[in-house]
Amino acid sequence: QSALTQPPSVSGSPGQSVTISCTGTSSDVGSYNRVSWYQQPPGTAPKLMIYEVSNRPSGVPDRFSGSKSGNTASVTISGLQAEDEGDYYCSSYTTSSTVVFGGGTKLTVL
Amino acid sequence: QLQLQESGPGLVKASETLSLTCTISGDSISSTYYFWDWIRQPPGKGLEWIASIYYSGTTYYSPSLKSRVTISVDTSNNHFSLKVNSVAAADTAVYYCARRGRIAAAGTIDYWGQGTLVTVSS
Repeated sequence: QSALTQPPSVSGSPGQSVTISCTGTSSDVGSYNRVSWYQQPPGTAPKLMIYEVSNRPSGVPDRFSGSKSGNTASVTISGLQAEDEGDYYCSSYTTSSTVVFGGGTKLTVL
Repeated sequence: QLQLQESGPGLVKASETLSLTCTISGDSISSTYYFWDWIRQPPGKGLEWIASIYYSGTTYYSPSLKSRVTISVDTSNNHFSLKVNSVAAADTAVYYCARRGRIAAAGTIDYWGQGTLVTVSS
């Protein structure tokens, strides 16, 4: 299985919106609504931000939203804040009952 | 509150076997709702899913690591373990254990351990 494809980096100014894409195949992203997004500040474990494409766990601000179309999922962060900086990873369940991650995207708040 | 704690040697010699254990507190490894996973992250690089186990012993492995990896479960001690054989420098990484949904929110990793750095030395 190949890693899901994410842009290496995105940036935005405070208050703006940014979108990070995650492209897979019909064997993973395209097969199920089992796409998750994780935020990882430097030196810490990842934190779940979005699950099952568009659901937010308790405590995650509604500035974070997720969507999917075909083999590509996306997370949008609106009203960008300095605390949103970090690395973002998508993951998907696969038709082989395994999990695959994206390569990660570094979000910089200008 | 669920806590996952990785333990094991921080330094392993090349060609030897890496062994890690994840101890679970605040939940039972025998829960029917979850899988228990290992994930790793080489320094400065992205996340890589390694393997998963259900309390009954059902296992799933990354195709790229399957030949060298074994995941096992110990229900009486509420922990699960990972072994990676014939390690090389490319296996140097922070290793995380994690909980993943099996029914509700299937595929979602909702809890992570703090991670443990394993360095492979030559």
